[in-house]
Amino acid sequence: DQQVKQNSPSLSVQEGRISILNCDYTNSMFDYFLWYKKYPAEGPTFLISISSIKDKNEDGRFTVFLNKSAKHLSLHIVPSQPGDSAVYFCAASVFGGYQKVTFGTGTKLQVIP
Amino acid sequence: NAGVMQNPRHLVRRRGQEARLRCSPMKGHSHVYWYRQLPEEGLKFMVYLQKENIIDESGMPKERFSAEFPKEGPSILRIQQVVRGDSAAYFCASSPLAGGLEQFFGPGTRLTVL
Repeated sequence: DQQVKQNSPSLSVQEGRISILNCDYTNSMFDYFLWYKKYPAEGPTFLISISSIKDKNEDGRFTVFLNKSAKHLSLHIVPSQPGDSAVYFCAASVFGGYQKVTFGTGTKLQVIP
Repeated sequence: NAGVMQNPRHLVRRRGQEARLRCSPMKGHSHVYWYRQLPEEGLKFMVYLQKENIIDESGMPKERFSAEFPKEGPSILRIQQVVRGDSAAYFCASSPLAGGLEQFFGPGTRLTVL
């Protein structure tokens, strides 16, 4: 039962353009959402997060949007840079005294110079 | 401040052998999570530990897998009698608080079972 879904396994974007990565979830109990970035042979690195009480969170070139009614969130990267090329994991959690995180399968982003 | 450390980075075992994966959390972090990533899949939660306590092991297979986080030393994920299906990347993450909203990941241990 895949509770967090990233339906696009890969995405290619030109340098300087916007990258939009999408994520859907099925568990309405999730109250915190995160995006992680992962380079080959490294562990995931936290990128940005959003609480379920918000619909947008921005950090520099990265913005996460949350649509609770649609159970959908997206990560926007503007402008995209070649160093952004990595696998991006969407993740969600239900706070129960600790963060038990459920990850999506990842989207591999390639930013073409 | 060193990040989360995992060793070994690569581990090769034959079927039936034991695998021991170690995780040293970031300094000051007393909460450790283990995740497994099978090929072409996302990371799957296995177990959450605090010092000397297993808090949630709902993601651990019922047999052959065990985890500990002793008062002194690293957290250990132990897999007995490994099978080919155990081949995966195993990631450890730590956080300073139980409700720490950000988990810091180690580089992972890639286990290959021949």
